[in-house]
Amino acid sequence: DTAVSQTPKYLVTQMGNDKSIKCEQNLGHDTMYWYKQDSKKFLKIMFSYNNKELIINETVPNRFSPKSPDKAHLNLHINSLELGDSAVYFCASSQWDRGQSGANVLTFGAGSRLTVL
Amino acid sequence: QQQVKQSPQSLIVQKGGISIINCAYENTAFDYFPWYQQFPGKGPALLIAIRPDVSEKKEGRFTISFNKSAKQFSLHIMDSQPGDSATYFCAASRAFGDYKLSFGAGTTVTVRA
Repeated sequence: DTAVSQTPKYLVTQMGNDKSIKCEQNLGHDTMYWYKQDSKKFLKIMFSYNNKELIINETVPNRFSPKSPDKAHLNLHINSLELGDSAVYFCASSQWDRGQSGANVLTFGAGSRLTVL
Repeated sequence: QQQVKQSPQSLIVQKGGISIINCAYENTAFDYFPWYQQFPGKGPALLIAIRPDVSEKKEGRFTISFNKSAKQFSLHIMDSQPGDSATYFCAASRAFGDYKLSFGAGTTVTVRA
């Protein structure tokens, strides 16, 4: 059973189009994220939701709009796609380790590769 | 502004050799330092993590060394195997309250048989 699943795995589209990526987690985690990984593999956080509330909103063009209908789902809609939006987008979820480590351990999905032509 | 600096960008090691990846951070409030491993076509996955109350943590062939005074930490992969070929990311955050992990730029490790 896939813990964090995102669809589609691949998107190829033209500049100016609008596209959406969906994410679902079955881990019972309270927090979900969108990360962007560029061609140099750098991971940049975009958004985070905790129990459907937006808690992290990094400097991202407002063409990107996340939506969390419930705490198991986090979708990403992108308007007016540009060449620079080409990247791999990762959804992740997390839960605090309330034991000794205090760690916020992220579980990532397999990624959605977006190519804008 | 990258809060965690990682080096090298890539490395090649022979099977059985030792891979060493180094990271440095600036924010003294950071107190949780995980390493994530990413295979091609997959998402990153937690490999091993350390808190600053210990200077070293070992899990199998993977060891984190931590130097609080220098604000540096490193990952050692002992007896490197071809299956260890992946991209490794160090990261840092504050434990017990920080949702935002600051990732390093990643190191691509290639283990040659």
